[in-house]
Amino acid sequence: DAKTTQPTSMDCAEGRAANLPCNHSTISGNEYVYWYRQIHSQGPQYIIHGLKNNETNEMASLIITEDRKSSTLILPHATLRDTAVYYCIVRALHYTGNQFYFGTGTSLTVIP
Amino acid sequence: KAGVTQTPRYLIKTRGQQVTLSCSPISGHRSVSWYQQTPGQGLQFLFEYFSETQRNKGNFPGRFSGRQFSNSRSEMNVSTLELGDSALYLCASSLGQGPLYEQYFGPGTRLTVT
Repeated sequence: DAKTTQPTSMDCAEGRAANLPCNHSTISGNEYVYWYRQIHSQGPQYIIHGLKNNETNEMASLIITEDRKSSTLILPHATLRDTAVYYCIVRALHYTGNQFYFGTGTSLTVIP
Repeated sequence: KAGVTQTPRYLIKTRGQQVTLSCSPISGHRSVSWYQQTPGQGLQFLFEYFSETQRNKGNFPGRFSGRQFSNSRSEMNVSTLELGDSALYLCASSLGQGPLYEQYFGPGTRLTVT
C-alpha cells in the first residue's frame, strides 16, 4: 500500500470547517483512500473512502486531487465531539485481506 | 443493530501469565481482525480471520494467537505475557474481505501487564 503523510496536529474553531490534508504521492491506480478517526480511548470509526471522485456522506466530504496524489477530508461544521485523531489510509483494490496499516494520523482539536 | 463487543474491557495480568480476549462481531459479519495499540507503536495489525480461517497475520511473535468460531466470534490469546504487551487490543469486524468493505471497531480491551 502507498505511504501517506499527514500533519501531526491541527486546530479548528467550533462551527468552522475542518480541512485535514493527506499526501499519498505514490498512490497507484487501484488504490482507495480511506479515512478513519479515533476518539480518545475508543476504537477507530470509519468516516469515508474514495477512489478518484469526490465523495460525501453524512459525516464528511472527501476531495481527491485530479492526479490522486493528495486528498482532503472536510468536516463541514466541526463540533467539540470531532476532536480526535484522524487517519488517512491507502489500500489496494486487489487486497483480499482486511488489514489496515494506520500511520500516526492527525490529532484534530476543535476549540470552543 | 448491535456493534462489535469486546470482553473484558479491562484486564490486569502478571508477567508470565496468559490471557484470552473475546470479540463478538456485528451480526452477519464474517471477518474479524485484531489490532494492538500502544503509545509508542500506534495501531498495529495482529491477524485476521474469515470463515474460521486465519487469512492474514501481522508481524507479531507466536505468543499471539487467535481463532474464530463458526458463529464468527473470535478470541485472541497471548501466552507468557511481557510488560510490553500492555496495550489496547482492538477487534474489528467486516461483512467481507477486501477494500470495499468497511471495518467496524469495538471499544477495545485495555490489558495491563505488571
